Amino acid sequence: DAKTTQPPSMDCAEGRAANLPCNHSTISGNEYVYWYRQIHSQGPQYIIHGLKNNETNEMASLIITEDRKSSTLILPHATLRDTAVYYCIVRGNSGGSNYKLTFGKGTLLTVNP
Amino acid sequence: GAGVSQTPSNKVTEKGKYVELRCDPISGHTALYWYRQSLGQGPEFLIYFQGTGAADDSGLPNDRFFAVRPEGSVSTLKIQRTERGDSAVYLCASSSLEGGGPRDTQYFGPGTRLTVL
Repeated sequence: DAKTTQPPSMDCAEGRAANLPCNHSTISGNEYVYWYRQIHSQGPQYIIHGLKNNETNEMASLIITEDRKSSTLILPHATLRDTAVYYCIVRGNSGGSNYKLTFGKGTLLTVNP
Repeated sequence: GAGVSQTPSNKVTEKGKYVELRCDPISGHTALYWYRQSLGQGPEFLIYFQGTGAADDSGLPNDRFFAVRPEGSVSTLKIQRTERGDSAVYLCASSSLEGGGPRDTQYFGPGTRLTVL
């Protein structure tokens, strides 16, 4: 799976949008971008995933650049409960060991009141 | 509905002892995964079950670690002769699709925090 690079930490004011970047310059054509988050003392929680089109669900939006070498997770109105470590993961579509999630160190997002 | 549950939530043991960690996946999920998370790191893959069989155990660090899933539901991770370096949070996840793919969302339990003294 392609390697991802994320900033170690970010801060965001409550009620503002949180934009979390991820670089995945070695991503291949059949690999998806996944985002998970991990709130303190809990297991990781799935947020969203995408291939090349932008995606939106009730939790967040995912913007993937046209060359697919980077993406941004957007939490439109961050709350204190969004404070967590956010992991960007690149994962294959089929074949090989695409069932594995390969986590990096992620980005610690701290939402401040 | 009920999510993935893991017991115990915390386990403290002495070096050299044997421990068992239990995972109850979401009902009906055929795929089950174990991960290990050390302090300050992201989770690392240990083993993947399709039904009752271990399809990939390449992440198990050595032969002291073993996992079973005899009836295709509950899984037990077993660690023999524990060492201080085994201290970590052990996470279990399950999903409804075998083989991965974009629709395969893994749902994680809260983890078991293992401390080896």
